[in-house]
Formats: sequence, structure tokens, C-alpha cells
Amino acid sequence: DTGVSQNPRHKITKRGQNVTFRCDPISEHNRLYWYRQTLGQGPEFLTYFQNEAQLEKSRLLSDRFSAERPKGSFSTLEIQRTEQGDSAMYLCASSLVTSGDYEQYFGPGTRLTVT
Amino acid sequence: GQNIDQPTEMTATEGAIVQINCTYQTSGFNGLFWYQQHAGEAPTFLSYNVLDGLEEKGRFSSFLSRSKGYSYLLLKELQMKDSASYLCAGGYNKLIFGAGTRLAVHP
Repeated sequence: DTGVSQNPRHKITKRGQNVTFRCDPISEHNRLYWYRQTLGQGPEFLTYFQNEAQLEKSRLLSDRFSAERPKGSFSTLEIQRTEQGDSAMYLCASSLVTSGDYEQYFGPGTRLTVT
Repeated sequence: GQNIDQPTEMTATEGAIVQINCTYQTSGFNGLFWYQQHAGEAPTFLSYNVLDGLEEKGRFSSFLSRSKGYSYLLLKELQMKDSASYLCAGGYNKLIFGAGTRLAVHP
């Protein structure tokens, strides 16, 4: 397994457009997380799934953001009506939740620029 | 509330030892993580402390005191490639990250 992958790696879009990002976790991992990171800051939690169930969403996640993990494998994050403030690196991570194992493995991220 | 504090920047010399501190005020943290992040890349896992004390892993060690809400990452025999941001994070399901400490290693 080559780790967590994300596509696209870069996305430039105009304000008001919709964008969708994809994350493929490590194959046996049952948890998948989305974070957002801006320059000079640590990642901020957005949402996470256990299998196909979305268990928590951050209050940072406005109604314009939606995430799915339909079959408990890959996940998509959609941003509708993008705003310049949405420009950031969107990171996906996955983990296998077993007794005593909480490490999250991060993908390379999708860098979004909203012009 | 949940808050994690760490210094913004540090500099050190190749071959030296550096300690990066992290303090936190939060409830519900199951343990403390340290991640390394090179510019433009994803964070990579360094260490996880769930019990008080020192965990050693090669050149890197991490310490946790849950009663004091304090952790540190110790990097020994610094190399140029250790120049990166070091992120302190806590959590049980989701991770709450500090802003990161940018470490610059000079020859």
C-alpha cells in the first residue's frame, strides 16, 4: 500500500464555483479525517468518518461544505460557492482504530486557490 | 476549551540538541502527538505519548506530563534535514493541533 492519496494536488478556481476533492485512505483503515491548513498554522479539524458514518463535523464547516464516504472507502469533500477565504491546503488522514492505536496517516493534500 | 501553545520559531546548530515545548489546556485528550511537516508536504507522525514520562525513538524523544499539561520533543544530533515545522497535537478521535514550531538548523 502506498499510503493516503488525494486528488487533485492543486486546484485553482474562481469565486462562486464548486469544487470537489477526493481522498483514498490506506485500504484497511476504518477512519478517515478531513483537515484544513492555512499558511503558518496547524491543521484544523473539519470532519471524520468511521466506515461510511460521518461521526463529527466541526463548527468551522459551513453549510457550503459537505463530505461523503459512501462505501466506507474513498471520501469526497465538496465546497459549494467557493469564497477567497476557502483558499487553503485540504488534508485527508486515515487511521485504523484498534486498542491503543490512534496514529493518523496524512495524505499529501489538495491546495485550493480561490481567485 | 481546548488550546495548544508552542513556540513559533527556533533555531539550532547542526549536531546540537533542541527541545521544543508544548503546553495545552484541554479536556478529553487521550494522549499527545508530535508530527513533523516539511514545507509543502503532509505531516508525518513522530511520536505518541499516552502515559506520563519519556518515550525514546532514535534521535527523537518525547515527554508528557498530563498533570501539568506539558509535553516536549527532544531532537538530538541535529541534521540539516530536521529543518521543518513540528506540530504538537492532542485528541481522542479528531486531533487538535498547535500552530507548529518552525525549526531552522544551521551548519
